[in-house]
Amino acid sequence: DTEVTQTPKHLVMGMTNKKSLKCEQHMGHRAMYWYKQKAKKPPELMFVYSYEKLSINESVPSRFSPECPNSSLLNLHLHALQPEDSALYLCASSQDPGVGSPLHFGNGTRLTVT
Amino acid sequence: ILNVEQSPQSLHVQEGDSTNFTCSFPSSNFYALHWYRWETAKSPEALFVMTLNGDEKKKGRISATLNTKEGYSYLYIKGSQPEDSATYLCAFPNTGNQFYFGTGTSLTVIP
Repeated sequence: DTEVTQTPKHLVMGMTNKKSLKCEQHMGHRAMYWYKQKAKKPPELMFVYSYEKLSINESVPSRFSPECPNSSLLNLHLHALQPEDSALYLCASSQDPGVGSPLHFGNGTRLTVT
Repeated sequence: ILNVEQSPQSLHVQEGDSTNFTCSFPSSNFYALHWYRWETAKSPEALFVMTLNGDEKKKGRISATLNTKEGYSYLYIKGSQPEDSATYLCAFPNTGNQFYFGTGTSLTVIP
């Protein structure tokens, strides 16, 4: 079982909806990540939080809005998405925000935008 | 965005065969190289974090080597088993924690 929990597992939303993806870890990890993965493509980095502060935003459109309420939680708020945003959204955490710490992934949220 | 390539894209082997695949990455500004295994319907799982040129790491029947000067890493699986069937991803960070993933090698072990 993964130690990074993502909810919901599946989400279908219309282009005018507002929804949120949630991610939780209780390993005391200080870095948390959002990745987007489309079929047959590698996971693409979206956002990185280090010590609860946004440290990297990979030029992600503003219809995706991350939030880190505390060191254990990471949210991704979604608004006015497009059908091409349909993908698997993966959350990950690492002990330290450095290259030597492996990423621990959740099972992902499968998002479909209609 | 960095170019991280993996080959082959997919591989079918018989149970008991040994196999290997490659991850190629830019040889300048090396920080680390990660290998992950991603089984269907599960989350990606870290296998190895490699940081030094010439590193060799082993976990059971799986091992990996690293050549930072020429920009490649090999992953080896000895005596493949059906439970080894998965997609194997390498990830290359540039600075800080911007990890760039390769497209993966999809391994199917036929019983």
